[in-house]
Amino acid sequence: QVQLVESGGGVVQPGRPLRLSCTASGSDFSYYAIHWVRQAPGKGLEWITVISYDGKTQFWADSVKGRFSVSRDNSKNIVHLQLSSLTGEDTAVYFCARPSYGGNYPLAIWGQGTLVTVSS
Amino acid sequence: DIQMTQSPSTLSASVGDRVTITCRASQSLGTSLAWYQQKPGKAPKLLIFLASELESGVPSRFSGSGSGTEFALTISSLQPDDFATYYCQHYNGFPWTFGHGTKVEIK
Repeated sequence: QVQLVESGGGVVQPGRPLRLSCTASGSDFSYYAIHWVRQAPGKGLEWITVISYDGKTQFWADSVKGRFSVSRDNSKNIVHLQLSSLTGEDTAVYFCARPSYGGNYPLAIWGQGTLVTVSS
Repeated sequence: DIQMTQSPSTLSASVGDRVTITCRASQSLGTSLAWYQQKPGKAPKLLIFLASELESGVPSRFSGSGSGTEFALTISSLQPDDFATYYCQHYNGFPWTFGHGTKVEIK
């Protein structure tokens, strides 16, 4: 059973950086793109980024482009989401997720989420 | 970017009711449309992909329809476990976007 586990959330001051991680179980991690989706308190879902299976390609939502970065280490089954220039609008639960299949499929496997609170 | 307009935002219904949620895209998606269910404090759960394909393990009372810019999620007979928030999401090129959600409440 494939599992994704996010970590690294917490309270961070505005403007300070934070790194989130998404760790996967299973031997097929390197075959799949990994996405990040966030959800502000009481709000809807917002897709923010995807990193391809080999880490060579990324796409971004305009709301975080240029402030966040993403990387992966397939030897460790881990993806990192680096958050910077944070504001209160970045306060959210951050989920990592991936499709069940390779190619263009939606998000069937999700982590439990990690809460980021931007506050002074 | 493709905008997803979901309606209604809230739906009050009773157990056994047939309910339909609609989702409109600002440009054609073909059938690259998914539906998710989310309960408070939990990650979303994929229900439908390719507009009408049922994800493995999802009860058959859930169904999806549509193509192009108009889509719908129907629950044929609402069960107590179905009271939740539902989101549509396109995956027809990046950035992906979600609808704003439909909360299905107990009437």
